[in-house]
Amino acid sequence: DAGITQSPRHKVTETGTPVTLRCHQTENHRYMYWYRQDPGHGLRLIHYSYGVKDTDKGEVSDGYSVSRSKTEDFLLTLESATSSQTSVYFCATRPTSSGNTIYFGEGSWLTVV
Amino acid sequence: RKEVEQDPGPFNVPEGATVAFNCTYSNSASQSFFWYRQDCRKEPKLLMSVYSSGNEDGRFTAQLNRASQYISLLIRDSKLSDSATYLCVVNWEYGNKLVFGAGTILRVKS
Repeated sequence: DAGITQSPRHKVTETGTPVTLRCHQTENHRYMYWYRQDPGHGLRLIHYSYGVKDTDKGEVSDGYSVSRSKTEDFLLTLESATSSQTSVYFCATRPTSSGNTIYFGEGSWLTVV
Repeated sequence: RKEVEQDPGPFNVPEGATVAFNCTYSNSASQSFFWYRQDCRKEPKLLMSVYSSGNEDGRFTAQLNRASQYISLLIRDSKLSDSATYLCVVNWEYGNKLVFGAGTILRVKS
């Protein structure tokens, strides 16, 4: 296992509230990612980071922001949660940009009611 | 056309059967290819990388066909424990982009 922990693992929140998901890694991997997984869509990239304070948008970044102040932590924030953001969120890490495998955390189940 | 396409299945096979999945990708510049396995309500985990010459790991064989832009996964002598969703992953070096297929569901029955 790659030493990735996500918190919280499960959360139910109300529409319009802010939510922050945390990803913590112990492997000193440079790259970190946030994905969401929905039936029929597979894993879709929300945001990723290629170093401390270096982040970029993925294909489904609207409504999400991220921060990476330390190598080991990557935070995903839903500024104002909507029901369409009900999903499973996976954090992932990767040592370098090319060829190496990507390792996933156990997932965070978020329900927005 | 989706960037990475997989037959969602489910593939229902008896124990001991041989089953094969294909995955097509749209970007001819794709450089790296992987198969991941995902159990229900769990995170995806690397099953195997796919090399240009093809590679085998026990009962699992992966092939790459660059001309036709697809990769395949062959599972021989299926076990009940092989039941899972198999994700095809393609790495586009330009832009450091990993693209995931939606997965193929395999159910192995006794």
